Amino acid sequence: GENVEQHPSTLSVQEGDSAVIKCTYSDSASNYFPWYKQELGKRPQLIIDIRSNVGEKKDQRIAVTLNKTAKHFSLHITETQPEDSAVYFCAANDYKLSFGAGTTVTVRA
Amino acid sequence: NAGVTQTPKFQVLKTGQSMTLQCAQDMNHEYMSWYRQDPGMGLRLIHYSVGAGITDQGEVPNGYNVSRSTTEDFPLRLLSAAPSQTSVYFCASSPGTGKREKLFFGSGTQLSVL
Repeated sequence: GENVEQHPSTLSVQEGDSAVIKCTYSDSASNYFPWYKQELGKRPQLIIDIRSNVGEKKDQRIAVTLNKTAKHFSLHITETQPEDSAVYFCAANDYKLSFGAGTTVTVRA
Repeated sequence: NAGVTQTPKFQVLKTGQSMTLQCAQDMNHEYMSWYRQDPGMGLRLIHYSVGAGITDQGEVPNGYNVSRSTTEDFPLRLLSAAPSQTSVYFCASSPGTGKREKLFFGSGTQLSVL
């Protein structure tokens, strides 16, 4: 089955700086890669997703890039704000949508 | 729409007890699933269903049963609770039958087994 690895496990950034989270996957057949954000004590919520036929996708301050050859994809958050503090999960879709272990992002004021 | 509704929010069980976690969605989604969330391990799939009357095992199914008698409801049953089942449980649904995309999560159930 699919194996998704996510790095780093924790990330602390100064407000206004950028944050980058990287994930690798093992199954070359995976074709859908979402990112979920989970604020403390809340449910995970989809923030952006990308399909394997697209190399990059942006939505305001967040973007996702995909390198199919290397089997890795990344989440980029620019101009970070305190409300970006949360746990972020990447995932890759084989038959069951496998999740990474999560990255705890802390934005320092 | 209420979205995905889970009950209860918190539960404490003793080892060996059984219980059912309830999940209901009002979005007419065909796909429903149960995940458990443990520190440092992300979200792991327990069971899933692609429609009423159809269920299948996920990554960590042992100790759990599910059924899907209606499109709306997807309860998760713990047959004989064990301390290893202490976790946060999330129900999730998505509009695609064969696709696990754009999951909508419930608010979660925090379960402690003593």
